[in-house]
Amino acid sequence: GENVEQHPSTLSVQEGDSAVIKCTYSDSASNYFPWYKQELGKRPQLIIDIRSNVGEKKDQRIAVTLNKTAKHFSLHITETQPEDSAVYFCAASIEGYSTLTFGKGTMLLVSP
Amino acid sequence: EAGVVQSPRYKIIEKKQPVAFWCNPISGHNTLYWYRQNLGQGPELLIRYENEEAVDDSQLPKDRFSAERLKGVDSTLKIQPAELGDSAVYLCASSFRQGLSGANVLTFGAGSRLTVL
Repeated sequence: GENVEQHPSTLSVQEGDSAVIKCTYSDSASNYFPWYKQELGKRPQLIIDIRSNVGEKKDQRIAVTLNKTAKHFSLHITETQPEDSAVYFCAASIEGYSTLTFGKGTMLLVSP
Repeated sequence: EAGVVQSPRYKIIEKKQPVAFWCNPISGHNTLYWYRQNLGQGPELLIRYENEEAVDDSQLPKDRFSAERLKGVDSTLKIQPAELGDSAVYLCASSFRQGLSGANVLTFGAGSRLTVL
């Protein structure tokens, strides 16, 4: 089955800095890679996703990049704000065939 | 739209007692998932339903866990008997699958936090 590794487990940045979270996956057939944000005590919420037919996707301050050859993908948050503080999870699957496998999460702390 | 509704939000029981969780997915969503999230970890799949059929239950501890999704809408997850290690948040999620697309675009419920004493 799929195995997703996520790094770092915690990340502390100053407000306005950029943050990068990296994930690797094991199954070369995986083609769907979402990122979820989970604030303390709340449900995970989808913030951005990418499919293997593109290498990068942006949505305002967040972007995701995918390197299929190396089997890794990254979340980039620019101009971080305190409200970006949360746990971020990456996941991978073969869309329509397998269920999402999640990484262990990255706790992002943005200090004012 | 109400979103994915779960109950109860919190449950405290003693070990060896039974417990059940209920989930109502987003209206029209044909795929339903139960995940377990341990403290500081990512969600781990327990079972996935396509309509009323369980299509992936390989990670469900079948000696004590059971699930059902009657009529392909609501679902219940039961643990009997509960063990100390079952303390976790049980997340329900749903999605709308159309062909190969959409199946993995999950909307999660708020979760049911179980504490086993």
